[in-house]
Amino acid sequence: EVQLVQSGAEMKKPGESLKISCEASAYSSTTYWIGWVRQMPGKGLEWMGCIYTGDSDTRYSPSFQGQVTISADKSISTAYLQWSSLKASDTAMYYCVTMVRLPGPSDYWGQGTLVTVSS
Amino acid sequence: EIVLTQSPGTLSLSPGERATLSCRASQSVSSSYLAWYQQKPGQAPRLLIYGASSRANGIPDRFSGSGSGTDFTLTISRLEPEDFAVYYCQQYGSPLTFGGGTKVEIK
Repeated sequence: EVQLVQSGAEMKKPGESLKISCEASAYSSTTYWIGWVRQMPGKGLEWMGCIYTGDSDTRYSPSFQGQVTISADKSISTAYLQWSSLKASDTAMYYCVTMVRLPGPSDYWGQGTLVTVSS
Repeated sequence: EIVLTQSPGTLSLSPGERATLSCRASQSVSSSYLAWYQQKPGQAPRLLIYGASSRANGIPDRFSGSGSGTDFTLTISRLEPEDFAVYYCQQYGSPLTFGGGTKVEIK
């Protein structure tokens, strides 16, 4: 069964950097897309962007372009979401998802990583 | 960017009743690239429907999707207790976007 295992909850201060991870296992295809979705407290889902494990082709939602960096290490089936300078407004749950192809639905979801940014 | 508007915001129904959720797009969704997700409190969303009308693996047949172009519907034929949750539509053209969600609550 496909599993996406995300890194644990983080508590950071404004201005700090952060990199969270998502490890995929047992996916049916050797190459696929991993995406990231933000859910702010009590709010809906927002698509951030995705990366292809085959060649690291990366696509960002216009709202998140330049705000975060998505990367991946194919050798360990892991994707990353990175901030260089966190803001309080980055406080949210972040989910990783997989897609066998683009365009395609998000067929599997990680358990989520809660990021809290507070002084 | 395609904007998805879901209605109603909240649907109050009793177990056994039929639920009809709407998702309207600001422009035509290519090739029915429309999905529905269910999210329960404290859990990650899960895929219910893709391609506007195809059920994902393991999804009960009381869930059905329909529509094309700019108007899409998720129908739950008879609500079970475990179906009370928030439902999101998503169009997975480029760039991908989500609707704001519909909460199905117990009346």
